[in-house]
Amino acid sequence: DAMVIQNPRYQVTQFGKPVTLSCSQTLNHNVMYWYQQKSSQAPKLLFHYYDKDFNNEADTPDNFQSRRPNTSFCFLDIRSPGLGDAAMYLCATSRDPGSSVTQYFGPGTRLLVL
Amino acid sequence: KQEVTQIPAALSVPEGENLVLNCSFTDSAIYNLQWFRQDPGKGLTSLLLIQSSQREQTSGRLNASLDKSSGRSTLYIAASQPGDSATYLCAVRQKDSNYQLIWGAGTKLIIKP
Repeated sequence: DAMVIQNPRYQVTQFGKPVTLSCSQTLNHNVMYWYQQKSSQAPKLLFHYYDKDFNNEADTPDNFQSRRPNTSFCFLDIRSPGLGDAAMYLCATSRDPGSSVTQYFGPGTRLLVL
Repeated sequence: KQEVTQIPAALSVPEGENLVLNCSFTDSAIYNLQWFRQDPGKGLTSLLLIQSSQREQTSGRLNASLDKSSGRSTLYIAASQPGDSATYLCAVRQKDSNYQLIWGAGTKLIIKP
């Protein structure tokens, strides 16, 4: 029944050591999003894909990259994690970017940077 | 620039009470407003979506209202239960932002048995 799946659920990495977070979806949705959420804060959109079209938010640091090799999968790469990158990373999907469309969220990956 | 505010940041009520969560936004040029629920350490679940042309939406014990002109939405929870304990976030779909949801920081709700 899982629709948006994120792996791993918890990730521990070292300062400066690259890390990749994974998201997959069984909904066949065209749009996939990555959000960063720090404790007691609202989610912050990092980027999204509309099909293969990549859209980077203006204030997303260059340290964050993303790949979408096919409709079902999307990856978040953090090239050199800093202590400030410790957060919950949420993946979401929507059928299309239409104004009335709901986003479906995965359970999140909690990243800890040592 | 759109700003979404949720007050209070935390709320604790006894089981069985009816309660209202508040969400306010500064720019009425929105497509819709959504309410989400987030359990500790988990992702978000969409509860209700209200289009800008609608006044309210209902799902079970939940009722969400939207007053676009005053920039306010409320989420009414009837006969609260301990299982309703979670953080509730509202988010608006801004007309000039294409994809982006503008989020409030959430209200952490605790229902005491």
